[in-house]
Amino acid sequence: GQNIDQPTEMTATEGAIVQINCTYQTSGFNGLFWYQQHAGEAPTFLSYNVLDGLEEKGRFSSFLSRSKGYSYLLLKELQMKDSASYLCAVRDSNYQLIWGAGTKLIIKP
Amino acid sequence: ETGVTQTPRHLVMGMTNKKSLKCEQHLGHNAMYWYKQSAKKPLELMFVYSLEERVENNSVPSRFSPECPNSSHLFLHLHTLQPEDSALYLCASSQDFSSSGANVLTFGAGSRLTVL
Repeated sequence: GQNIDQPTEMTATEGAIVQINCTYQTSGFNGLFWYQQHAGEAPTFLSYNVLDGLEEKGRFSSFLSRSKGYSYLLLKELQMKDSASYLCAVRDSNYQLIWGAGTKLIIKP
Repeated sequence: ETGVTQTPRHLVMGMTNKKSLKCEQHLGHNAMYWYKQSAKKPLELMFVYSLEERVENNSVPSRFSPECPNSSHLFLHLHTLQPEDSALYLCASSQDFSSSGANVLTFGAGSRLTVL
């Protein structure tokens, strides 16, 4: 079966750096997505990786290794507003999105 | 208005009621989706419409009935629901369905459904 694994919850300190990991086993691969979802709000798109390597976008970076079935989202200079759930999703060979259960990130002062 | 708008934001209904969820997108997208989001579970794809035709129906019980009257609007009609159907129902749209490239989903804020 197809599966996305990510930690259920993580805690980090304001101003610090946190890395949220995502491992996947899917039928084929056509890209990996990260979305952010604040409580009670819509998930919003953060990043898209289709080739191996690091994509940087301001304080957020996303890394992909297709051979390892692995990605991470790196958040730098954490702010209180970064408290949210982070969803990892992989598009398989049929262009279906397979979702992880999300990682709830708690930022403490 | 821009983005994806869902109404109502909150809905409480009994098991014998009939209600509908509404979704509207002003992005000019060709594909629209209904997802179910339950606590600590992955998003579950329920239905997909591409150019107003249903292209996915992932074994969803018949008590959920989708309708896509045009490319900007999507409805989810609900009847004789069960308490386990209580969840957040998210609508999303994307430029196309099953295309290469990012083809990012834009989500609405969801309709929080409680079935008593």
